[in-house]
Amino acid sequence: ETGVTQTPRHLVMGMTNKKSLKCEQHLGHNAMYWYKQSAKKPLELMFVYNFKEQTENNSVPSRFSPECPNSSHLFLHLHTLQPEDSALYLCASSAQTGYSTEAFFGQGTRLTVV
Amino acid sequence: QQQVKQSPQSLIVQKGGISIINCAYENTAFDYFPWYQQFPGKGPALLIAIRPDVSEKKEGRFTISFNKSAKQFSLHIMDSQPGDSATYFCAASQGGGADGLTFGKGTHLIIQP
Repeated sequence: ETGVTQTPRHLVMGMTNKKSLKCEQHLGHNAMYWYKQSAKKPLELMFVYNFKEQTENNSVPSRFSPECPNSSHLFLHLHTLQPEDSALYLCASSAQTGYSTEAFFGQGTRLTVV
Repeated sequence: QQQVKQSPQSLIVQKGGISIINCAYENTAFDYFPWYQQFPGKGPALLIAIRPDVSEKKEGRFTISFNKSAKQFSLHIMDSQPGDSATYFCAASQGGGADGLTFGKGTHLIIQP
């Protein structure tokens, strides 16, 4: 395990549902990220948090809402999603100190929107 | 606009051979170039990374070659093993990675025994 834990591992939701993805890192990192991984597309950076402050939002639709209550936890709140939002959602964290900025990824949440 | 272009999309190499994956980038502000390895059901894991002040970095059987003027970098896997079969992603970032990574589309590598 990488020290980044994501729950749930799998999620099926209807387009009218509201659900949340959870990410927890045990590495003492100060930066956390959400990425979307779809088939035949590059991993897409969605949100960046540094020291609990959102520093990046890559034109993500408002039906995705991130929350970072502290430097160890990151949530992605989902509502009124579309079938094309079905993908693997990956959380990552990094130290952002010194020369090393290695990003550690969780195993992801496989989301299916029906 | 895809900022990091990766090729080939898939690659089959015989055991013991050399696997080569190439990437090209457009943003000259990029200053950190990692390669990630992903197995089915797992998240990507850092394999090796390079910064533009060196032209080559080697770690065990894995080597990154970097050509700043051509804005290209490549991953070489020497003595490829079946356990190397995975999807490989190149990535790039600026500011040392603080603002997240821009990934290539990935290469599905199969090492035949």
